[in-house]
Amino acid sequence: NAGVTQTPKFQVLKTGQSMTLQCAQDMNHNSMYWYRQDPGMGLRLIYYSASEGTTDKGEVPNGYNVSRLNKREFSLRLESAAPSQTSVYFCASRASGNSYNEQFFGPGTRLTVL
Amino acid sequence: AQSVTQPDIHITVSEGASLELRCNYSYGATPYLFWYVQSPGQGLQLLLKYFSGDTLVQGIKGFEAEFKRSQSSFNLRKPSVHWSDAAEYFCAVGAPSYDKVIFGPGTSLSVIP
Repeated sequence: NAGVTQTPKFQVLKTGQSMTLQCAQDMNHNSMYWYRQDPGMGLRLIYYSASEGTTDKGEVPNGYNVSRLNKREFSLRLESAAPSQTSVYFCASRASGNSYNEQFFGPGTRLTVL
Repeated sequence: AQSVTQPDIHITVSEGASLELRCNYSYGATPYLFWYVQSPGQGLQLLLKYFSGDTLVQGIKGFEAEFKRSQSSFNLRKPSVHWSDAAEYFCAVGAPSYDKVIFGPGTSLSVIP
Protein backbone atom coordinates (compact mmCIF):
# COMPACT_ATOMS: atom_id res chain seq x y z
CA ASN A 1 0.00 0.00 0.00
CA ALA A 2 1.94 3.03 -1.28
CA GLY A 3 -0.68 5.67 -0.38
CA VAL A 4 -0.31 8.77 -2.55
CA THR A 5 2.58 8.88 -5.00
CA GLN A 6 3.80 11.82 -7.06
CA THR A 7 6.22 12.10 -9.94
CA PRO A 8 8.61 13.71 -10.49
CA LYS A 9 10.11 14.73 -7.13
CA PHE A 10 12.06 17.63 -8.63
CA GLN A 11 11.78 19.54 -11.89
CA VAL A 12 13.41 22.60 -13.41
CA LEU A 13 11.67 24.29 -16.34
CA LYS A 14 12.36 27.30 -18.47
CA THR A 15 9.70 29.96 -18.87
CA GLY A 16 7.18 28.86 -21.49
CA GLN A 17 7.84 25.15 -21.24
CA SER A 18 5.07 22.75 -20.39
CA MET A 19 4.94 19.76 -18.11
CA THR A 20 2.57 17.40 -16.34
CA LEU A 21 2.76 16.43 -12.70
CA GLN A 22 1.48 12.95 -12.02
CA CYS A 23 -0.38 11.75 -8.94
CA ALA A 24 -1.79 8.35 -8.08
CA GLN A 25 -3.44 6.86 -5.00
CA ASP A 26 -4.17 3.26 -4.14
CA MET A 27 -6.65 3.80 -1.31
CA ASN A 28 -9.77 3.76 -3.49
CA HIS A 29 -10.50 7.38 -2.57
CA ASN A 30 -13.04 9.37 -4.55
CA SER A 31 -11.70 12.85 -3.85
CA MET A 32 -8.33 14.11 -5.02
CA TYR A 33 -6.66 17.53 -4.72
CA TRP A 34 -3.77 19.58 -6.01
CA TYR A 35 -2.18 22.20 -3.76
CA ARG A 36 0.75 24.52 -4.06
CA GLN A 37 2.82 25.48 -1.04
CA ASP A 38 4.64 28.79 -0.88
CA PRO A 39 6.49 30.26 2.12
CA GLY A 40 4.17 32.01 4.54
CA MET A 41 1.04 31.13 2.57
CA GLY A 42 0.28 27.61 3.68
CA LEU A 43 -1.32 25.32 1.15
CA ARG A 44 -3.52 26.82 -1.51
CA LEU A 45 -5.91 24.67 -3.47
CA ILE A 46 -5.39 24.70 -7.23
CA TYR A 47 -7.97 22.15 -8.41
CA TYR A 48 -9.84 19.28 -6.93
CA SER A 49 -11.88 16.33 -8.11
CA ALA A 50 -14.77 14.99 -6.07
CA SER A 51 -15.08 11.88 -8.20
CA GLU A 52 -13.88 10.32 -11.41
CA GLY A 53 -14.88 12.50 -14.33
CA THR A 54 -15.40 15.70 -12.35
CA THR A 55 -13.02 18.56 -11.61
CA ASP A 56 -13.47 21.97 -10.02
CA LYS A 57 -11.36 25.06 -9.59
CA GLY A 58 -9.85 25.91 -6.28
CA GLU A 59 -8.36 29.14 -4.98
CA VAL A 60 -5.53 29.56 -7.52
CA PRO A 61 -6.40 27.73 -10.79
CA ASN A 62 -4.98 30.21 -13.33
CA GLY A 63 -2.20 28.74 -15.45
CA TYR A 64 -3.07 25.14 -14.62
CA ASN A 65 -5.22 22.36 -16.03
CA VAL A 66 -6.09 18.99 -14.54
CA SER A 67 -7.24 15.59 -15.68
CA ARG A 68 -8.90 12.94 -13.57
CA LEU A 69 -7.79 10.05 -15.73
CA ASN A 70 -9.50 7.41 -13.61
CA LYS A 71 -10.26 6.88 -9.96
CA ARG A 72 -6.58 6.40 -9.10
CA GLU A 73 -4.90 9.16 -11.08
CA PHE A 74 -5.15 12.96 -11.06
CA SER A 75 -2.65 14.93 -13.12
CA LEU A 76 -1.77 18.64 -13.09
CA ARG A 77 -0.56 20.33 -16.26
CA LEU A 78 1.30 23.58 -16.71
CA GLU A 79 0.85 24.60 -20.34
CA SER A 80 3.28 27.52 -20.34
CA ALA A 81 5.29 27.71 -17.16
CA ALA A 82 5.98 31.06 -15.52
CA PRO A 83 8.43 31.95 -12.72
CA SER A 84 5.42 32.64 -10.47
CA GLN A 85 4.65 28.93 -10.62
CA THR A 86 7.87 28.07 -8.83
CA SER A 87 6.55 26.21 -5.81
CA VAL A 88 6.16 22.87 -4.10
CA TYR A 89 3.14 20.97 -5.37
CA PHE A 90 1.25 18.44 -3.28
CA CYS A 91 -1.36 15.98 -4.32
CA ALA A 92 -3.81 14.64 -1.74
CA SER A 93 -6.71 12.22 -1.62
CA ARG A 94 -9.62 11.67 0.71
CA ALA A 95 -12.40 9.18 1.13
CA SER A 96 -15.52 11.17 0.36
CA GLY A 97 -18.94 10.81 1.88
CA ASN A 98 -17.91 12.57 5.07
CA SER A 99 -15.92 15.79 5.03
CA TYR A 100 -14.58 14.83 8.45
CA ASN A 101 -12.29 12.36 6.72
CA GLU A 102 -8.64 13.33 6.68
CA GLN A 103 -6.64 14.02 3.56
CA PHE A 104 -3.63 11.87 2.71
CA PHE A 105 -0.74 13.69 1.06
CA GLY A 106 1.94 12.70 -1.36
CA PRO A 107 5.61 13.64 -0.82
CA GLY A 108 5.44 16.66 -3.13
CA THR A 109 7.06 17.90 -6.34
CA ARG A 110 9.52 20.77 -6.07
CA LEU A 111 9.24 22.84 -9.26
CA THR A 112 11.53 25.67 -10.29
CA VAL A 113 10.74 27.83 -13.30
CA LEU A 114 13.64 29.91 -14.59
CA ALA B 1 -16.36 32.07 4.15
CA GLN B 2 -14.03 29.98 6.20
CA SER B 3 -10.57 31.19 7.14
CA VAL B 4 -7.74 30.12 9.41
CA THR B 5 -5.03 32.18 11.08
CA GLN B 6 -1.92 30.99 12.84
CA PRO B 7 -0.48 34.05 14.61
CA ASP B 8 2.99 32.61 15.14
CA ILE B 9 5.11 32.24 12.03
CA HIS B 10 8.03 30.70 13.87
CA ILE B 11 8.49 29.34 17.40
CA THR B 12 11.65 28.08 19.08
CA VAL B 13 11.51 25.94 22.20
CA SER B 14 14.03 23.94 24.20
CA GLU B 15 13.82 20.18 24.20
CA GLY B 16 11.70 19.04 27.14
CA ALA B 17 9.78 22.32 27.35
CA SER B 18 6.04 22.54 26.79
CA LEU B 19 4.57 23.75 23.53
CA GLU B 20 1.43 25.55 22.46
CA LEU B 21 0.71 26.48 18.85
CA ARG B 22 -2.16 28.83 18.24
CA CYS B 23 -4.92 28.52 15.67
CA ASN B 24 -7.96 30.73 15.17
CA TYR B 25 -10.69 30.09 12.65
CA SER B 26 -13.62 31.92 11.16
CA TYR B 27 -16.76 29.94 10.43
CA GLY B 28 -20.43 30.46 11.20
CA ALA B 29 -21.13 27.06 12.69
CA THR B 30 -19.05 24.37 14.34
CA PRO B 31 -16.38 23.45 11.85
CA TYR B 32 -14.27 20.39 11.38
CA LEU B 33 -10.77 21.22 12.64
CA PHE B 34 -7.50 19.53 11.83
CA TRP B 35 -3.84 19.79 12.74
CA TYR B 36 -1.28 18.47 10.27
CA VAL B 37 2.49 18.22 10.61
CA GLN B 38 5.02 18.47 7.81
CA SER B 39 8.54 17.23 8.43
CA PRO B 40 11.28 18.71 6.22
CA GLY B 41 10.99 17.49 2.64
CA GLN B 42 7.87 15.48 3.38
CA GLY B 43 4.15 15.66 2.76
CA LEU B 44 1.62 16.48 5.46
CA GLN B 45 0.51 13.99 8.09
CA LEU B 46 -2.60 14.27 10.24
CA LEU B 47 -1.90 14.81 13.97
CA LEU B 48 -5.49 15.05 15.17
CA LYS B 49 -8.95 16.28 14.27
CA TYR B 50 -12.10 17.58 15.93
CA PHE B 51 -15.66 17.15 14.84
CA SER B 52 -17.84 17.22 17.92
CA GLY B 53 -18.04 15.96 21.48
CA ASP B 54 -15.18 16.28 23.93
CA THR B 55 -13.40 19.55 23.26
CA LEU B 56 -10.01 18.11 24.22
CA VAL B 57 -8.74 15.88 21.45
CA GLN B 58 -5.80 13.50 21.66
CA GLY B 59 -3.61 12.84 18.67
CA ILE B 60 -0.51 11.00 17.63
CA LYS B 61 3.01 11.65 18.90
CA GLY B 62 1.73 12.92 22.27
CA PHE B 63 -0.07 15.97 20.90
CA GLU B 64 -3.44 17.25 22.01
CA ALA B 65 -5.66 20.16 21.01
CA GLU B 66 -8.50 21.99 22.68
CA PHE B 67 -11.48 23.43 20.85
CA LYS B 68 -12.78 26.64 22.40
CA ARG B 69 -15.91 27.84 20.67
CA SER B 70 -16.02 31.16 22.56
CA GLN B 71 -12.55 32.04 21.31
CA SER B 72 -12.83 30.41 17.86
CA SER B 73 -9.60 28.65 18.65
CA PHE B 74 -8.12 25.20 18.29
CA ASN B 75 -4.68 25.37 19.90
CA LEU B 76 -2.23 22.49 19.71
CA ARG B 77 -0.25 21.47 22.79
CA LYS B 78 2.44 19.06 23.85
CA PRO B 79 3.74 18.82 27.43
CA SER B 80 7.34 17.94 26.56
CA VAL B 81 8.85 18.60 23.14
CA HIS B 82 11.33 16.23 21.53
CA TRP B 83 13.95 17.25 18.96
CA SER B 84 12.09 15.19 16.37
CA ASP B 85 9.06 17.50 16.72
CA ALA B 86 10.88 20.19 14.73
CA ALA B 87 8.61 20.65 11.70
CA GLU B 88 5.96 22.86 10.13
CA TYR B 89 2.51 22.67 11.68
CA PHE B 90 -0.68 23.52 9.84
CA CYS B 91 -4.13 24.12 11.22
CA ALA B 92 -7.02 23.52 8.82
CA VAL B 93 -10.78 23.96 8.83
CA GLY B 94 -13.47 22.08 6.95
CA ALA B 95 -17.24 22.01 7.06
CA PRO B 96 -20.08 19.53 6.70
CA SER B 97 -20.98 18.82 3.07
CA TYR B 98 -17.97 20.80 1.95
CA ASP B 99 -15.37 18.88 0.04
CA LYS B 100 -12.54 21.35 0.56
CA VAL B 101 -10.33 22.19 3.51
CA ILE B 102 -8.80 25.60 4.18
CA PHE B 103 -5.26 25.59 5.55
CA GLY B 104 -3.62 28.19 7.73
CA PRO B 105 -0.22 29.67 6.80
CA GLY B 106 1.64 27.33 9.13
CA THR B 107 3.91 27.66 12.17
CA SER B 108 7.51 26.55 11.90
CA LEU B 109 8.82 24.90 15.08
CA SER B 110 12.50 24.75 15.95
CA VAL B 111 13.73 22.70 18.92
CA ILE B 112 16.94 23.58 20.76
CA PRO B 113 18.74 20.53 22.17
